[in-house]
Amino acid sequence: NAGVTQTPKFQVLKTGQSMTLQCAQDMNHNSMYWYRQDPGMGLRLIYYSASEGTTDKGEVPNGYNVSRLNKREFSLRLESAAPSQTSVYFCASSEVGTGHLEKLFFGSGTQLSVL
Amino acid sequence: RKEVEQDPGPFNVPEGATVAFNCTYSNSASQSFFWYRQDCRKEPKLLMSVYSSGNEDGRFTAQLNRASQYISLLIRDSKLSDSATYLCAVKNSGGGADGLTFGKGTHLIIQP
Repeated sequence: NAGVTQTPKFQVLKTGQSMTLQCAQDMNHNSMYWYRQDPGMGLRLIYYSASEGTTDKGEVPNGYNVSRLNKREFSLRLESAAPSQTSVYFCASSEVGTGHLEKLFFGSGTQLSVL
Repeated sequence: RKEVEQDPGPFNVPEGATVAFNCTYSNSASQSFFWYRQDCRKEPKLLMSVYSSGNEDGRFTAQLNRASQYISLLIRDSKLSDSATYLCAVKNSGGGADGLTFGKGTHLIIQP
């Protein structure tokens, strides 16, 4: 059971380049999330998807777009990368959206550097 | 005031000692509470949920104090392998699947 799988694990971009981070989960979870983690800032929610076909902005959505392709997959796109988007990105999924059932399971992360 | 606050540490603790740290949250309507563990350059992993009556899992005990709006984690008989960053997480909104709000983490170092 793979859980949450993210690709790529590492990526270096030049300012202005675009890229898509892929995420897939095999736990049949409804909800999926994209977080970024920066030193001194902790984990911050970028976008989330409560269920297939829906997406919503989190705390720091600017500069990003997402697609919930199906129940398994949730991708994050940087259209024009900026150095401020250098970060570690984590995808996560959870069973349902309420109460103690909302335990997040994280992918192993993508370390992104924008030069 | 930030939503979820933790003392970043580091907490340097000798092996075998008991260590405790707290996490405060600002939203009194917060519903659910968790402790996650994160090893260096790894993803966060759920350590335990925090229930209203408090709960224990082996050497780990979690407590919730709604009146003072904090949760705590106590680790007894600490092991070298307990060295990690501990993140508290809070579920704020009712009924929405908008994820968890995390503290910045408390860095724990267990020394031999």
